[in-house]
Amino acid sequence: GAGVSQSPSNKVTEKGKDVELRCDPISGHTALYWYRQRLGQGLEFLIYFQGNSAPDKSGLPSDRFSAERTGESVSTLTIQRTQQEDSAVYLCASSLYRDRARYGYTFGSGTRLTVV
Amino acid sequence: QKEVEQDPGPLSVPEGAIVSLNCTYSNSAFQYFMWYRQYSRKGPELLMYTYSSGNKEDGRFTAQVDKSSKYISLFIRDSQPSDSATYLCAMSFSWRGNKLVFGAGTILRVKS
Repeated sequence: GAGVSQSPSNKVTEKGKDVELRCDPISGHTALYWYRQRLGQGLEFLIYFQGNSAPDKSGLPSDRFSAERTGESVSTLTIQRTQQEDSAVYLCASSLYRDRARYGYTFGSGTRLTVV
Repeated sequence: QKEVEQDPGPLSVPEGAIVSLNCTYSNSAFQYFMWYRQYSRKGPELLMYTYSSGNKEDGRFTAQVDKSSKYISLFIRDSQPSDSATYLCAMSFSWRGNKLVFGAGTILRVKS
């Protein structure tokens, strides 16, 4: 596809359940990011993948959060034992460029997660 | 205190008005400054990029950075209804831009 694809677009889950969010980046984009956007708050960095390097997990808020990426393609973000404070829009982004401050990322439309 | 402060609005202006959007930040180590635009139910898209202090103009948009005051601005001239969106400022310590720090976003509504 032409853009970053995320699925599902919406997810409602019960507190305590596990959820898995999927991101298909643009083909050829070596860098992939996950950000979280809570209502009324800015985007929060979660995790960053670059090629075959070890991911930068410094933004993951707790050990309930984990993410994987297969090579330079699909990534999944898993949240275990979901809590109500996990309710947010989870945004995936990818980038072709090294100079990502200047050229930016391409974001997907996000997965809106609601924990009830 | 948040690293980046941004008034959430909403800011409502008539078509054709000049719009001023602002962010303040606390960490003087930020060197790279960006504005992203986010339409409803969409991901953000990069609008403007500025390195260090100074001004940058692109069409109807002007970005300003004042590092001495830790203050950045985005001006939109001749605002259009299609400019209605949430505007997020973002900052980075590195040109690699791997961990952007975002403001909360300002909701802008341009009325025709």
